[in-house]
Amino acid sequence: AQSVTQLGSHVSVSEGALVLLRCNYSSSVPPYLFWYVQYPNQGLQLLLKYTSAATLVKGINGFEAEFKKSETSFHLTKPSAHMSDAAEYFCAHAERGYQKVTFGTGTKLQVIP
Amino acid sequence: DTEVTQTPKHLVMGMTNKKSLKCEQHMGHRAMYWYKQKAKKPPELMFVYSYEKLSINESVPSRFSPECPNSSLLNLHLHALQPEDSALYLCASSQEGGVNYGYTFGSGTRLTVV
Repeated sequence: AQSVTQLGSHVSVSEGALVLLRCNYSSSVPPYLFWYVQYPNQGLQLLLKYTSAATLVKGINGFEAEFKKSETSFHLTKPSAHMSDAAEYFCAHAERGYQKVTFGTGTKLQVIP
Repeated sequence: DTEVTQTPKHLVMGMTNKKSLKCEQHMGHRAMYWYKQKAKKPPELMFVYSYEKLSINESVPSRFSPECPNSSLLNLHLHALQPEDSALYLCASSQEGGVNYGYTFGSGTRLTVV
């Protein structure tokens, strides 16, 4: 089945350091790809999405992700981590023509002061 | 209005009870979704409504019964649940039935079955 794989269930970074959260997809046809953030006891919020326009996608809160077909990757980055970035991050995908979005297993980001 | 509103925020119910979860959006979105999220797990799709019609049922047990009375409202009726059904139930919506727009999620209903 087509899916996304998030490498690292927990990532710790120092405040001000680069944030890199990894996501790889498995699909013969590039799917729609998304990053969502979930704060404790909250719903999910869309950070950014790839829908086959620009391969470098900018999102909210200073996050961006680059779609790399050759690597089947869609990693999430932010140049400088803030304490408020501590949350669970989910990579998600949807096959073109289908209404179903499937989420990766999530990466919990810890920001150390 | 750019929100999806879910009520109640918390619900405790016995295994013989009947209860309903409610989800409302006024963004003109024509697709609405129910997801179930267990602790420390990703959300799992339960149902999809597109233009008020059920388009996807992910083999959900019949003790969960969805309803879409109009384009702004989505309900999830609960009956004879089991303790393992305790979870965060998330509602989401998207524009014109297209997942490529991304979802707008509500903050969820945390359900505990006792």
